[in-house]
Amino acid sequence: ETGVTQSPTHLIKTRGQQVTLRCSSQSGHNTVSWYQQALGQGPQFIFQYYREEENGRGNFPPRFSGLQFPNYSSELNVNALELDDSALYLCASSRDGGGYGYTFGSGTRLTVV
Amino acid sequence: AQSVAQPEDQVNVAEGNPLTVKCTYSVSGNPYLFWYVQYPNRGLQFLLKYITGDNLVKGSYGFEAEFNKSQTSFHLKKPSALVSDSALYFCAVRRDSNYQLIWGAGTKLIIKP
Repeated sequence: ETGVTQSPTHLIKTRGQQVTLRCSSQSGHNTVSWYQQALGQGPQFIFQYYREEENGRGNFPPRFSGLQFPNYSSELNVNALELDDSALYLCASSRDGGGYGYTFGSGTRLTVV
Repeated sequence: AQSVAQPEDQVNVAEGNPLTVKCTYSVSGNPYLFWYVQYPNRGLQFLLKYITGDNLVKGSYGFEAEFNKSQTSFHLKKPSALVSDSALYFCAVRRDSNYQLIWGAGTKLIIKP
């Protein structure tokens, strides 16, 4: 079975720009969660999508938004980028909400300058 | 509020010795507990989880963890450390009724030959 694939692997953006990060979920998984991991810290939950609906959100402003598609892949969009948005963005897929485990992608390293 | 504490920023162990990486948690309701490992510039790899049942959980690469409800702890252990175990280890928790994973700050494990 295929794992979780994230693209791009690295990205440099300018403050104020917009960015879209992509995630392909593992085969058989219908839930995707997004996390932000700043350097030297644990991941912070951004939001989760289950069957194309957002069903959980962490403490992130509305400029962080997402989508899940019928094939359960997902996008994370961030508008009006700020320097503090520089981080590793991790996508995790799971079955039925994730109670039994999550498979993580290798992440997208976003640098905002 | 839910929280996870990993009290040690770094743990140093000689190769062949047993290792313990500590984790305590605070969550209402039944906890789902996870350990993940992260290698440099990589995503998170699943080691093991506790959902219910036997308090001693065995996972990947010879790791195990013991759930202690009275002490609200979920320490990660391995009987004999390998140099290749050197990495960053994260403990995470979620409630059974909530999808959000709460993460510790991580513990850097260094195994010296």
